[in-house]
Amino acid sequence: DAGVTQSPTHLIKTRGQQVTLRCSPKSGHDTVSWYQQALGQGPQFIFQYYEEEERQRGNFPDRFSGHQFPNYSSELNVNALLLGDSALYLCASSTDSYEQYFGPGTRLTVT
Amino acid sequence: GDSVTQMEGPVTLSEEAFLTINCTYTATGYPSLFWYVQYPGEGLQLLLKATKADDKGSNKGFEATYRKETTSFHLEKGSVQVSDSAVYFCALHSAYTNAGKSTFGDGTTLTVKP
Repeated sequence: DAGVTQSPTHLIKTRGQQVTLRCSPKSGHDTVSWYQQALGQGPQFIFQYYEEEERQRGNFPDRFSGHQFPNYSSELNVNALLLGDSALYLCASSTDSYEQYFGPGTRLTVT
Repeated sequence: GDSVTQMEGPVTLSEEAFLTINCTYTATGYPSLFWYVQYPGEGLQLLLKATKADDKGSNKGFEATYRKETTSFHLEKGSVQVSDSAVYFCALHSAYTNAGKSTFGDGTTLTVKP
C-alpha cells in the first residue's frame, strides 16, 4: 500500500506567480483534505474534497482553490502568491471518518 | 470555535526520563482527540487516539487519557529514547464538523539527549 503521496517535494516560486500541488490518497480513501503548516506552527485546515466537490473550507482566501478527480486524487492551486504563502502543504486522506492519513508534504517557498 | 492549546516547548530530556506534554482543548460537543508526531522533513504520523471520555490511547510506550472534566489529553511516556526526538501535535476532530477537518495545536518540540 503506497500511502498518501504528494508532488512535488519542494517548490520555489516568485511573488505573484501561480502554483499547483498534487496529492494521491491512500488506496481505498475517497476524501482528501489540505492543510497549510507555517514554520513553527500546527497545520491549518484549507479545504476538503469529497465526491469531486469542495465539502468544507477553512479561513483561507479565494486565491486558494482545489479540485478532486474521479480517481480521488486532488490538486491544490494557489494564485497570486504572497511571501506569506511559504509553508509546508500537507494532504490528508480518509474514508469519511475522523482518522486521517497524511502525506509527506510539499515545501513551498515564495521569494 | 474549536481550539487546542499545547504546552510551550521546546522540551529537552535525558534518555530514560519521564515525558509529559500537556494538551487542553475547547470544542463543541464531544470531540475525538489525537496525538500526531512529525519527524524532521516528514509529514504527520498518527501516534494515538481516543474517541470518548475516559478512553486511553496508547502506542509505542506513549499514552494519553481523554479527560472530559478537565478538557485535557496529556501525552506521557515513562522512559523516552533518543529516537523519540520529534515535534508532537495534539489535535481534535469535533463531532459537529464534517469528517476530515482537524484542529491542531502549535506543536511541542521534544529533544532527547543520550
